[in-house]
Amino acid sequence: NAGVTQTPKFQVLKTGQSMTLQCAQDMNHEYMSWYRQDPGMGLRLIHYSVGAGITDQGEVPNGYNVSRSTTEDFPLRLLSAAPSQTSVYFCASSYSGASTEAFFGQGTRLTVV
Amino acid sequence: AQSVTQPDIHITVSEGASLELRCNYSYGATPYLFWYVQSPGQGLQLLLKYFSGDTLVQGIKGFEAEFKRSQSSFNLRKPSVHWSDAAEYFCAVGGLTGNQFYFGTGTSLTVIP
Repeated sequence: NAGVTQTPKFQVLKTGQSMTLQCAQDMNHEYMSWYRQDPGMGLRLIHYSVGAGITDQGEVPNGYNVSRSTTEDFPLRLLSAAPSQTSVYFCASSYSGASTEAFFGQGTRLTVV
Repeated sequence: AQSVTQPDIHITVSEGASLELRCNYSYGATPYLFWYVQSPGQGLQLLLKYFSGDTLVQGIKGFEAEFKRSQSSFNLRKPSVHWSDAAEYFCAVGGLTGNQFYFGTGTSLTVIP
């Protein structure tokens, strides 16, 4: 079972560049989410989706866009990268929102220079 | 405001010793409660969860956790720690308004021989 797959695993961007972090799950989960992990701050929710065509903002949405055109995919777009977006990004999915177990991808380590 | 507190940033224990990691939450109702483990360079893996019923729950890798409503706590325990348990541990709550998971800041566990 593939579970939740994130690509790329590592990325270096220059300030102002844009890019898309990919996330795909093969468990037919309706709920998908993106987190960023920074030292001493745990995981903070960026955006989430409760189903295809439905997205909502989390705690730290500024500078990021998402869309959910299919159940399987939930890409995260950085519009104009800033050094403050240097972080480790995790995608997660769950069967039924935040009341069921979340399955996490392996993470993307992003550095903005 | 909703919050999850893990008061111990870092804990060091000897192999074979017992372990307790603390987690407190502040919500009006009893949330769904989770403990996740993150090995270096990896995503998060679910150790155990509490939804309702018996307040002592068993998880994988010999871990258990006890929900105490009166203390708003969900502490993780293991009777005898193994060197492979060295990792970062996150407490999380979910199932509340906003359909979001809320994570603590994590506790880093070091195991010494």
